[in-house]
Amino acid sequence: KAGVTQTPRYLIKTRGQQVTLSCSPISGHRSVSWYQQTPGQGLQFLFEYFSETQRNKGNFPGRFSGRQFSNSRSEMNVSTLELGDSALYLCASSLGGFRTDRLTYNSPLHFGNGTRLTVT
Amino acid sequence: KQEVTQIPAALSVPEGENLVLNCSFTDSAIYNLQWFRQDPGKGLTSLLLIQSSQREQTSGRLNASLDKSSGRSTLYIAASQPGDSATYLCAVLPLNQAGTALIFGKGTTLSVSS
Repeated sequence: KAGVTQTPRYLIKTRGQQVTLSCSPISGHRSVSWYQQTPGQGLQFLFEYFSETQRNKGNFPGRFSGRQFSNSRSEMNVSTLELGDSALYLCASSLGGFRTDRLTYNSPLHFGNGTRLTVT
Repeated sequence: KQEVTQIPAALSVPEGENLVLNCSFTDSAIYNLQWFRQDPGKGLTSLLLIQSSQREQTSGRLNASLDKSSGRSTLYIAASQPGDSATYLCAVLPLNQAGTALIFGKGTTLSVSS
């Protein structure tokens, strides 16, 4: 079974540009979530999509957005890049489900290897 | 606001030693707690997931315990090996939210020398 695939692995962008990152979840997984990892702040939750709907959003500015397609693949977009956006962006997939369904809701998250974004 | 703390930030041990990594959280209203491993430049690998109703989970040389009332979890690694060198992160899934957003600690970086 293929794991979570993130593309591209590395990106170098200039301040003010925009960027789109892609994530293909494990087959059958309906939940895709995105995290930002930096040395200072650690792992911080960006947003989660489940069945094409944003189910939860972290405390990030509106420059960070995302979407999920009908095949569960997801993209995140960052507009007007700032130097502080340099980070490792990680995507995770899981069965997801609803809290009333313990089996799926309690399923572990599977992470991709991330996209390393450098803003100069 | 839920906060997750991991102490120590770094740990060095000789091969073969048994060791314990600690994780504490401020709000006991959690759905589950998960332990992950991260190798340099890579993503996270799920190690163990403990549901709020459980006390511990085991996988091979790893054993994780959960004491929800005291807000603590420990990851026990038996007979450590150089291949165990990595950063170990714990994360909780809060009860008071929709979805599966995890709150992470900053991790413990483990170095096992041969």
